[in-house]
Amino acid sequence: SAVISQKPSRDICQRGTSLTIQCQVDSQVTMMFWYRQQPGQSLTLIATANQGSEATYESGFVIDKFPISRPNLTFSTLTVSNMSPEDSSIYLCSGRLGNTIYFGEGSWLTVV
Amino acid sequence: AQTVTQSQPEMSVQEAETVTLSCTYDTSESDYYLFWYKQPPSRQMILVIRQEAYKQQNATENRFSVNFQKAAKSFSLKISDSQLGDAAMYFCAYRSSTPIYNQGGKLIFGQGTELSVKP
Repeated sequence: SAVISQKPSRDICQRGTSLTIQCQVDSQVTMMFWYRQQPGQSLTLIATANQGSEATYESGFVIDKFPISRPNLTFSTLTVSNMSPEDSSIYLCSGRLGNTIYFGEGSWLTVV
Repeated sequence: AQTVTQSQPEMSVQEAETVTLSCTYDTSESDYYLFWYKQPPSRQMILVIRQEAYKQQNATENRFSVNFQKAAKSFSLKISDSQLGDAAMYFCAYRSSTPIYNQGGKLIFGQGTELSVKP
């Protein structure tokens, strides 16, 4: 199995600011992903974090708003830029090891 | 496009009893993976059980088992001897085995079922 750690676990952010979430995996996972879970909703994939190249974004998500880095096989960051209250969500990092996807504990962001 | 549907927003079970959570999915693929994840109030997504579509045998993990009906595109989760710690949101998820669709591991989630366990 893989253990995935995220920082911060929770934060309150001011409107218009940006916040970077870090994701560290204890294994060299083949793929890493970022999901968003809005209050009371299911998980929606934001993007696939590709090592050493630009992330692959899902429809409705753009790089300017959610820039992602993945410098190596065990680390990735997601930045939520120019935040608005609509960005208040849980952001979850995940990694694929074999045929299983493991998740971090999530980063709960509240934008005020 | 693949879709996952959980038609039970909430379920309740008495401690020590058995409960079944429903999940249906839609796909034109023959090979894929199905998962049940548990999300307690801590928000950590915890893998409960995994099923490969090419396997006819239903997966089992201790008190958790699935009823996988490939023709009916149904994937229900049975929790036996329910415990208070089983109370959580449960998500059914689908992953294609076709690289062009799964981008290496993209999961498609259902809407979730909130399970409460009564002492």
